[in-house]
Amino acid sequence: DIQMTQSPSSVSASVGDRVTITCRASQDISSWLAWFQQKPGKAPNLLIYAASSLQGGVPSRFSGSGSGTDFTLTISSLQPEDFATYYCQQANSFPLTFGGGTKVEIK
Amino acid sequence: EVQLVESGGGLAQPGGSLRLSCAASGFTFSRYVMAWVRQAPGKGLEWVSAISGSGDTTYYADSAKGRFTISRDNSRNTLYVQMNSLRAEDTAVYYCAKELLGFGAYNWFDPWGQGTLVTVSS
Repeated sequence: DIQMTQSPSSVSASVGDRVTITCRASQDISSWLAWFQQKPGKAPNLLIYAASSLQGGVPSRFSGSGSGTDFTLTISSLQPEDFATYYCQQANSFPLTFGGGTKVEIK
Repeated sequence: EVQLVESGGGLAQPGGSLRLSCAASGFTFSRYVMAWVRQAPGKGLEWVSAISGSGDTTYYADSAKGRFTISRDNSRNTLYVQMNSLRAEDTAVYYCAKELLGFGAYNWFDPWGQGTLVTVSS
């Protein structure tokens, strides 16, 4: 199975900050990577797929980059509604696997 | 608007069974791969199973193989997972999710339903 490692596990930031979350795959997954946002008690919401494609309706302050084994989710200017947990997910091969999550908290 | 509504969760005894359902609307159900993903309380996400639009191809996580069976009824626009031999570690919120692009691919899933809680305990 492909292991997905996210870092950091949590980050404290202020509104307006630039936030970067990284995800590393245990083997080359090309661009088969998605990013999800999850708020407490809610289902995950797809932000980015194919490493850098913004899902419809997602604000442009979210962006994704990377290929191979190393990927990044960037929030260019953190907004109050962005405080949540973020997960990466590889779609290169079964079983689909997720990173452990990064909780973005208010500083 | 795409809607996915899960049901069937609840309390089950270890070794028992439950069948979850996911009622879909707002899209041509039979054209899309569907999946189940679960989340144990306070934990991360774990993909469980996926099924092709026709229902003839299925995939399972190792944790589900031999115990869970995914299926679909395209005439009723409903996705199912039959869960047998339940264990305490199966306790989780179970989400159904729709393939994003409709290409019959097992990669991007959005949206997800609101989830149904399964608790396995004696």
